[in-house]
Amino acid sequence: QVQLQESGPGLVKPSETLSLTCNFSGGPINGFYWSWVRQPPGKGLEWIGYIYYTGSSDYTPSLKSRVTISIDTSKNQFSLNLRSVTAADTAVYYCASTPYSFYNGYPYWGQGTLVTVSS
Amino acid sequence: QSALTQPASVSGSPGQSITVSCTGTGFDIGSYNYVSWYQQHPGKAPKLIIYEVNNRPLGVSNRFSGSKSGNTASLTISGLQAEDEADYYCSSYTSTTTLCVFGGGTKLTVL
Repeated sequence: QVQLQESGPGLVKPSETLSLTCNFSGGPINGFYWSWVRQPPGKGLEWIGYIYYTGSSDYTPSLKSRVTISIDTSKNQFSLNLRSVTAADTAVYYCASTPYSFYNGYPYWGQGTLVTVSS
Repeated sequence: QSALTQPASVSGSPGQSITVSCTGTGFDIGSYNYVSWYQQHPGKAPKLIIYEVNNRPLGVSNRFSGSKSGNTASLTISGLQAEDEADYYCSSYTSTTTLCVFGGGTKLTVL
């Protein structure tokens, strides 16, 4: 059973970079898509992007200029970097993974971590 | 504004059946069978309950079922139980540059 756990700062200042890491265990890295999804307080889910175990990645257009997802297969972890953050980036950030495809449903999720953007 | 449109809320009594709709366009639901549904309880991570329109992951109750007609996908929950009270989100592949989109979510209240 794949297990995911997010980690990173809970508070980030405006204009700085939000950096989160997701550690995974219990399953193969090969053949899986590894993604980030966020949820502003009281609002719905927003898909941020994915990285495949091969290193290929893509992102939602609204964040594409500011976001990078990377993977370190030797450490069983993948990361999210979101640059030049504003208060609108305040959200619970989830890491998620799927053996299907990045658009075909995520059966595995981390517990989520709240990141607040504030000075 | 979400790319997929869901009703803000639905309700039903224990034992009844309810249906949650998710309306998209010909760029997503209308052209692809990559519709997923998630259940989210307050303070918890989403749980995948349907993928590829009508497939249930292992361990998900058969009270949950999915379907699609044209640009609209639907989630039906039969034999409503108190623990079904949660938010439900649909998701789909989209051939636009967004790639993967969620609906705005529907709050299910079990009366």
